[in-house]
Amino acid sequence: LAKTTQPISMDSYEGQEVNITCSHNNIATNDYITWYQQFPSQGPRFIIQGYKTKVTNEVASLFIPADRKSSTLSLPRVSLSDTAVYYCLVVGYSSASKIIFGSGTRLSIRP
Amino acid sequence: DAGITQSPRYKITETGRQVTLMCHQTWSHSYMFWYRQDLGHGLRLIYYSAAADITDKGEVSDGYVVSRSKTENFPLTLESATRSQTSVYFCASRIRGQGEQYFGPGTRLTVT
Repeated sequence: LAKTTQPISMDSYEGQEVNITCSHNNIATNDYITWYQQFPSQGPRFIIQGYKTKVTNEVASLFIPADRKSSTLSLPRVSLSDTAVYYCLVVGYSSASKIIFGSGTRLSIRP
Repeated sequence: DAGITQSPRYKITETGRQVTLMCHQTWSHSYMFWYRQDLGHGLRLIYYSAAADITDKGEVSDGYVVSRSKTENFPLTLESATRSQTSVYFCASRIRGQGEQYFGPGTRLTVT
């Protein structure tokens, strides 16, 4: 199982771009990188997923270098509503997947 | 409405009692998962299921039992509840071959 390491917390201000980096040194060939967002008293919500290079959707971008040992979630122009915990996961598809969420990164956005 | 639901949303029970948490999804997703989240911590996988009648242990399965006789239901049973099982329990589902998991609203369980 590929474990992930993220910063425990980050602070930023409204309108800034926020980058959260995750390391996953023992990622396997068939593994994908997935990010979730969780607000208090709610279940996690899927943000973005990627295998390599760059993926972008309406919410975020995900940058994955060639060695895939790390990934960076980029949130453009954050707002107060982006205050949440962000989890990086490595997910395998070749078999029934076991998943480790880790402790996540607590992102606080200030006015 | 379609989606994933959990019941009950809140439960208080006593040590030693058997408790069953229910999870139901309307999408016919192959995979279903049970996680627990302790206050201030990340989610830990308890059990998962790849299909009906196929289940496997996760990281913290001791003291829990699951079954999956139908694709849409994945109940989690605490055979003899302990105070250390006080937590918020989340159920999730996903399509085979996809990374996105859909989470239920959670069940807050307190064992006294």
